[in-house]
Amino acid sequence: EDQVTQSPEALRLQEGESSSLNCSYTVSGLRGLFWYRQDPGKGPEFLFTLYSAGEEKEKERLKATLTKKESFLHITAPKPEDSATYLCAVQGSNYQLIWGAGTKLIIKP
Amino acid sequence: DTEVTQTPKHLVMGMTNKKSLKCEQHMGHRAMYWYKQKAKKPPELMFVYSYEKLSINESVPSRFSPECPNSSLLNLHLHALQPEDSALYLCASSQPGQGAHEQYFGPGTRLTVT
Repeated sequence: EDQVTQSPEALRLQEGESSSLNCSYTVSGLRGLFWYRQDPGKGPEFLFTLYSAGEEKEKERLKATLTKKESFLHITAPKPEDSATYLCAVQGSNYQLIWGAGTKLIIKP
Repeated sequence: DTEVTQTPKHLVMGMTNKKSLKCEQHMGHRAMYWYKQKAKKPPELMFVYSYEKLSINESVPSRFSPECPNSSLLNLHLHALQPEDSALYLCASSQPGQGAHEQYFGPGTRLTVT
C-alpha cells in the first residue's frame, strides 16, 4: 500500500537553528515527490518537485533531497517567517497524490 | 500574486441552502482539482477534471456537484450540506496527464455549515 509518513509532527527551533524535516514513503513506481508549505487557513504553496534518487533542489533557506525511501527538507538559519506546516506528497503509478500529515515548524525569534 | 483564485473566501450556509464555490486559474493548465481539508489534516481529493471532463470522483456525496464550464473555471455546487462538511475547500490546477505535475493551489474557501 502506498504511504507517506512525515516526522516530526512538530518542530520548534530558535531563529538561526538549522534542522531537517523527514518524509518517508513507500510507493510503487515513484513519478515525483512534492514539498509544499502551508500557512494557517491558506492553500498549500508549491516549493519543490523531486523526480529521482540523488536529486537536490534549493530555494532560499530551503534544500530538498531525495533517496529511494525518503526525502529531507533542510532548513538553514531559519527565520520566524519560515514558520508554517510543511507537507510532503508523492505521486506513484496511480497519478493521484498521496499526502503526508505534515510537520508544523515553529521558529522562535 | 496567486494565479489560482477562489471565491468567496468565507461562506456560512445553512443545511437547506444552495451555494457555489468558484475557482479560476490563469496558468494555462488543463487539469483542475477540488480538495477538502479539515484542520490539522492534509488535503483530501474530491474531484479531478482533465480537459474539462470529470475524470475522478472520489466517492463524494451527491450534495457536492462539480462543474467545469471551460478550461479556466471550476465550480463546486453545494446543496443540503451537513455540519461535518465544514472545512477549507481548495482548488488546484496542473498540467494534465500521468506524469509528475506539481499542483498549484488557490487560497481556499472556508466553509461553515450551520
